[in-house]
Amino acid sequence: QKEVEQDPGPLSVPEGAIVSLNCTYSNSAFQYFMWYRQYSRKGPELLMYTYSSGNKEDGRFTAQVDKSSKYISLFIRDSQPSDSATYLCAASTDSWGKLQFGAGTQVVVTP
Amino acid sequence: GAVVSQHPSRVICKSGTSVKIECRSLDFQATTMFWYRQFPKKSLMLMATSNEGSKATYEQGVEKDKFLINHASLTLSTLTVTSAHPEDSSFYICSASLGTYGSGEQYFGPGTRLTVT
Repeated sequence: QKEVEQDPGPLSVPEGAIVSLNCTYSNSAFQYFMWYRQYSRKGPELLMYTYSSGNKEDGRFTAQVDKSSKYISLFIRDSQPSDSATYLCAASTDSWGKLQFGAGTQVVVTP
Repeated sequence: GAVVSQHPSRVICKSGTSVKIECRSLDFQATTMFWYRQFPKKSLMLMATSNEGSKATYEQGVEKDKFLINHASLTLSTLTVTSAHPEDSSFYICSASLGTYGSGEQYFGPGTRLTVT
């Protein structure tokens, strides 16, 4: 069993809709949680970085971490076609340690 | 955000030759760099963790003699694929972390696509 589970999708939504992405994890020692966006044939781009439980908002993006249920989420409001990409969740036990990635969810926002 | 570059972005080499990929942190010093491999439509697979001035730590199943990693300075790590074969063809991505000097976010390079013919 992978330490971080993520549905690979694809997830298709109409432009303007809310995109809801989530991951579950099994390692209770994870303290740091990240969401990355990766366009085809490009390196991942850090979107959100969260320590422990709670919510974090940055523009149209909201990240949530629920450590009690080992569940992390990313919401994208007012989705745009340019949001079409693969979104990867990741978790780490240390602030500087190696990341455990989910499989990545492919998101397609249709005009 | 911090910027990480990789060079080359794409390389084609013949079977049996060696290829060196550079990873540079452009606007910060990275105490730790990571090397990943990614297959089409798959997630990132960590190959090794590279700390400046010390030997790299390889993940289980990764051949350290085949994938040579050198982290000579706080801004440069290199991955050398030795005696490359077609099965080594992949997308190689590095990341750099501020480590204990920062909150620990990892910033990724744009990746290097290696094709071995």
